[in-house]
Amino acid sequence: QSVLTQPPSASETPGQRVTISCSGSSSNIGSNPVSWYQQLPGTAPKPLIFNNNQRPSGVPDRFSGSKSGTSVSLAISGLQSEDEADYYCSVWDDSLNGPVFGGGTKVTVL
Amino acid sequence: EVQLVESGGGLVQPGESLRLSCAASGFTFSHYGMHWVRQAPGSGLEFVSAITNNGVTTYYAKSVKGRFTISRDNSKNTLYLQMDSLRVEDMAVYYCARRGSGGYDNWGQGTLVTVSS
Repeated sequence: QSVLTQPPSASETPGQRVTISCSGSSSNIGSNPVSWYQQLPGTAPKPLIFNNNQRPSGVPDRFSGSKSGTSVSLAISGLQSEDEADYYCSVWDDSLNGPVFGGGTKVTVL
Repeated sequence: EVQLVESGGGLVQPGESLRLSCAASGFTFSHYGMHWVRQAPGSGLEFVSAITNNGVTTYYAKSVKGRFTISRDNSKNTLYLQMDSLRVEDMAVYYCARRGSGGYDNWGQGTLVTVSS
């Protein structure tokens, strides 16, 4: 059972928008910045979003992050087949004194 | 170009030990905190351990505390993870990752640890 709760799966057709939620608590999302990672099959995770809504250089602006209270969301607009991957949120947890990850969301492009 | 290359994984029996290494290049290693993150087969990402840039402070997940030891040699640009008393549930791909100001900004390719009798 992950500290951060993500839906196990999400799907949408090409060109559409998909949103992934990540829910936590006051000791993690409520007080620290969140990052998001994309993991393509058989590869290492790749950073997508830092500090709730900042994209590292090279990440398309189709990816965006937002935060409200103890929840965050990752939105992928103009969905493409190469976006099929697992997506993870992560944040420092003050109670556990370490970073935590969501369980991951598998995005399928229909 | 930042590179993180893990090594040291392999097949061990329950109760045995293994030491992982992560060779870093392309950046000033001593300026960054470093983490180990693992992923069991078919599962999600799990934080294992972290160490500050100067090696003074370390952090461990509850599941490995007392069995794993993280360390670093800034003169060799290398991060280590000493894993003792390995259990079947420790079987995973182990990634080293650089901790930037906003999160994990670089990851290695991972090294597989298999624990089986």
